[in-house]
Amino acid sequence: GAVVSQHPSWVICKSGTSVKIECRSLDFQATTMFWYRQFPKQSLMLMATSNEGSKATYEQGVEKDKFLINHASLTLSTLTVTSAHPEDSSFYICSATTTDRANTGELFFGEGSRLTVL
Amino acid sequence: DAKTTQPTSMDCAEGRAANLPCNHSTISGNEYVYWYRQIHSQGPQYIIHGLKNNETNEMASLIITEDRKSSTLILPHATLRDTAVYYCIVNTYKYIFGTGTRLKVLA
Repeated sequence: GAVVSQHPSWVICKSGTSVKIECRSLDFQATTMFWYRQFPKQSLMLMATSNEGSKATYEQGVEKDKFLINHASLTLSTLTVTSAHPEDSSFYICSATTTDRANTGELFFGEGSRLTVL
Repeated sequence: DAKTTQPTSMDCAEGRAANLPCNHSTISGNEYVYWYRQIHSQGPQYIIHGLKNNETNEMASLIITEDRKSSTLILPHATLRDTAVYYCIVNTYKYIFGTGTRLKVLA
């Protein structure tokens, strides 16, 4: 199956700093990428949808200036948590979908990135 | 908003079949049903998907009712490693996860 890789898998940072998480599709062109956030014992919450070369579409309640998403190429999307605070500590997961294999819209997920803000 | 409804939790004895139901009564004609599972602290793993016919792969079987308003994921011989949260998603442009079913396989 298609592979999506996230980096870093975990990160600890001080309050007020910014953290960048990368999401790469290794063997396919990701026309659309999705970013999710998951708090302990809760479901995945969709944060934003991004298409290559376009601005991301954010879900209601997600601050676009705080969670910067860039999808500059068909294989890479980044999520930058700016001025991180302890309440931003969470598990961030990216996923991608592609149309280049006439698929049915299956999502391919990264391994997730655990952010801890001290 | 999630377009699916699933029971919060289920238990299953090891070696027995685990049947996980999902209601998606507002599904439209061209929307697929996808099943994923998430083992603790990992990204979700694809299991199976279908449109209207029943599907089977090496992991599971998917039974979709004729009116497509509900489906059942079947793990034919559950093992302890199948303990996870199982999510049923109806394919739309936005992939919204519901609360899922927490399956616990008991030894």
